[in-house]
Amino acid sequence: DGGITQSPKYLFRKEGQNVTLSCEQNLNHDAMYWYRQDPGQGLRLIYYSQIVNDFQKGDIAEGYSVSREKKESFPLTVTSAQKNPTAFYLCASTPGTASNQPQHFGDGTRLSIL
Amino acid sequence: GENVEQHPSTLSVQEGDSAVIKCTYSDSASNYFPWYKQELGKRPQLIIDIRSNVGEKKDQRIAVTLNKTAKHFSLHITETQPEDSAVYFCADIAGNMLTFGGGTRLMVKP
Repeated sequence: DGGITQSPKYLFRKEGQNVTLSCEQNLNHDAMYWYRQDPGQGLRLIYYSQIVNDFQKGDIAEGYSVSREKKESFPLTVTSAQKNPTAFYLCASTPGTASNQPQHFGDGTRLSIL
Repeated sequence: GENVEQHPSTLSVQEGDSAVIKCTYSDSASNYFPWYKQELGKRPQLIIDIRSNVGEKKDQRIAVTLNKTAKHFSLHITETQPEDSAVYFCADIAGNMLTFGGGTRLMVKP
């Protein structure tokens, strides 16, 4: 969906370095999500946010941090504590917080270790 | 936490045949079941979804069935075409969290 923009498309991280993945949406959606996808695997939830200035941990939050200072932005930081960060990262959003709405995905960021 | 099992992990069919992918879930509070198609290196795209008050939904060659009693739902693709080749993910929502199945790699041979 063109309304969700992830950048960069490819990112390389050095040992001990923190990196931040950007996710911006112009859909006026309330809820935003970050997923990690490993090769040949399904998507696993890292963090999600249902409202500005609030967010909750997903299934694999360790080694990651997020912020939600603006409704349209939900950046994900991969910290040095995440020892195996190589994966495809997907950001998604939903119009509201109701539990029966489809998620719209960005094009993803592929993160690799140098 | 919620658990979604998806089978098979790979599926190879001849063009024109039907393909069926099955998922089971554990949380009886789940009330929304989307299916996504993901081509290599791209984002998942929603192809069909079903809500818990409906037993079946159809959209051209794609249909989804839901059995809430047995806690399973299935994706049916008829008259498969080579462009249907992709990875398909089922998912369910319980408590505002979307849980994905492990994915099925569908290969349609011309």
